[in-house]
Amino acid sequence: AQKVTQAQTEISVVEKEDVTLDCVYETRDTTYYLFWYKQPPSGELVFLIRRNSFDEQNEISGRYSWNFQKSTSSFNFTITASQVVDSAVYFCALSRGQGGSEKLVFGKGTKLTVNP
Amino acid sequence: AAGVIQSPRHLIKEKRETATLKCYPIPRHDTVYWYQQGPGQDPQFLISFYEKMQSDKGSIPDRFSAQQFSDYHSELNMSSLELGDSALYFCASSLGQRNSPLHFGNGTRLTVT
Repeated sequence: AQKVTQAQTEISVVEKEDVTLDCVYETRDTTYYLFWYKQPPSGELVFLIRRNSFDEQNEISGRYSWNFQKSTSSFNFTITASQVVDSAVYFCALSRGQGGSEKLVFGKGTKLTVNP
Repeated sequence: AAGVIQSPRHLIKEKRETATLKCYPIPRHDTVYWYQQGPGQDPQFLISFYEKMQSDKGSIPDRFSAQQFSDYHSELNMSSLELGDSALYFCASSLGQRNSPLHFGNGTRLTVT
């Protein structure tokens, strides 16, 4: 069975601080995909990144960076120089690498509050 | 770029009533997924369709049914509504055979009173 654990329920930081959101996953599949989604207070789910299980290269996109470590089954997300607009619930998710159905299993989410 | 369109955005129903939620996927996307997100919860997979056929099923109650039509839009039908059905319902679409990432609509917030 697939499982995603986001141990941090809530994090509160002050603007310009760096913050890392942890994600640990469990799967028996050799091919799988990992995702991060952002859910701001308005409620929509915003896609941030997808990483497949064969690509362990870290990725940076502006102030966002992701650290995928297969050895520890982790896919952590770092926001550098956080801003108030980063306040949201962030979900880590996992899916099997199968065509035709990419059902996502979500973690419980981490609520990030960035204070001015 | 066109996104996933869900309607209505908000819906208020009474217990035992029925509701129909609609989802219009991104053009050329052939796979549609429905998720339910209760208050303070993570989204839970309900059901998915690929090329108009049900492709996977999650924790969808028997009171709910869904289908994907020839134009690839999908509808989630919910009957005998219960208070516990109050949630945010998301639709997502993707290109099924290309393992493309899911793109979610803005959701329909259903309140059952």
